[in-house]
Amino acid sequence: GAVVSQHPSRVICKSGTSVKIECRSLDFQATTMFWYRQFPKKSLMLMATSNEGSKATYEQGVEKDKFLINHASLTLSTLTVTSAHPEDSSFYICSARGGTLSNQPQHFGDGTRLSIL
Amino acid sequence: AQTVTQSQPEMSVQEAETVTLSCTYDTSENNYYLFWYKQPPSRQMILVIRQEAYKQQNATENRFSVNFQKAAKSFSLKISDSQLGDTAMYFCAFILYNFNKFYFGSGTKLNVKP
Repeated sequence: GAVVSQHPSRVICKSGTSVKIECRSLDFQATTMFWYRQFPKKSLMLMATSNEGSKATYEQGVEKDKFLINHASLTLSTLTVTSAHPEDSSFYICSARGGTLSNQPQHFGDGTRLSIL
Repeated sequence: AQTVTQSQPEMSVQEAETVTLSCTYDTSENNYYLFWYKQPPSRQMILVIRQEAYKQQNATENRFSVNFQKAAKSFSLKISDSQLGDTAMYFCAFILYNFNKFYFGSGTKLNVKP
């Protein structure tokens, strides 16, 4: 149980393109979803937290207009990288939590490798 | 400020042997939860084990166990009878009670050798 599907797994696109990444909880309702960014050989950096039906909470230094997050349902959150540039190239990982308690584990997606040419 | 430190960037262990990965953290809060996640080459983050800070008993999960020393703010992971499938990046993390943000360490790359 507790499967999180992230799509696509890899994207290669030209600079200036907008890219949408989907994160779905397949067998549970995700009250809260998280978006992380991971640089090569580095740890995960939390970008934003989204609760179903409300605006995402962004971490300091993360541009809201650059990284648009939508959490329209209890099973789907999307991250749109708008007007992507080479510096946005990275590995993006989503996670989902079924409840609101912080001790409940976050279940991670497989990640999306974004490469901007 | 909350921080997590994993001082071993890379470790190797022979198959079937035991290995311990270290983790220390810093927080002024008293209520929090600690986790170990593994990230195999496939890149998916997988929960290995978790520990509630208010529990004195160390968590165990099959071949995985932790040594939680709250006063020392230490949370090491012991892997017994190491298997080739344990080869992965291991991240120590903690989260404050009633907060959403995970604080991750920089990771330890574990290589299990046949």
